[in-house]
Amino acid sequence: QAQLLQSGDELKRPGASGRISCKASGYRFSDYSIAWVRQAPGQGLQWMGWTSPQNGHSSYIQSLQGRLTMTTDASTATVVMELTSLDSADSARYWCARYSPFRGLDLWGQGTLLTVSS
Amino acid sequence: YGLTQPPSVSVSPGQTATITCSGDSLSRQFTFWYQQKPGQAPALIIYQDSQRPSGIPGRFSGSTSRTTATLTISGVETEDEADYYCQSGERNGLNELFGGGTKLTVL
Repeated sequence: QAQLLQSGDELKRPGASGRISCKASGYRFSDYSIAWVRQAPGQGLQWMGWTSPQNGHSSYIQSLQGRLTMTTDASTATVVMELTSLDSADSARYWCARYSPFRGLDLWGQGTLLTVSS
Repeated sequence: YGLTQPPSVSVSPGQTATITCSGDSLSRQFTFWYQQKPGQAPALIIYQDSQRPSGIPGRFSGSTSRTTATLTISGVETEDEADYYCQSGERNGLNELFGGGTKLTVL
């Protein structure tokens, strides 16, 4: 069955970079984009951006532009999300999700906790 | 600009719960709804304003009128207690946006 498998929880120092991977299986990887969503403790969901494995196009929300990068390795059906210059405000659980403008986020990874602390 | 949801809604089992989502873009873009239970990833329950993915019970329904989308849960069950989020496109169409979320309490 289709699934998204994310890398494990991470602890980072302020100013460092965080990388989370998302490996897709069970469906044709190129048919869907991958989006990233995060949720700080006790807070709501925040859309971060999305990337298309089909053409490599990515779109990030304005507040994260310059710090956020999503890269795709089609050979392993994996998307990597990298967030640089981490701050305590970036401490959150991060999810990747299969995305289409018509179906929404219909398949989610298990989530990765990123903690930024000195 | 954003999507506005009531912070909380409370209903008794068997009653109907209504959760609204307001935003200018809703008249031009699809609305999606997600259910999130504690410690879990969100799950899609409504797509394209009113469509249910397979496996979602029929008591969940969605509708949109102009700038307001509505999630209706008919015959609420205790297992429906969760946070609910609406999602739609940004005005510029480049990305998506979530509402602030609504905590549904089943008394």
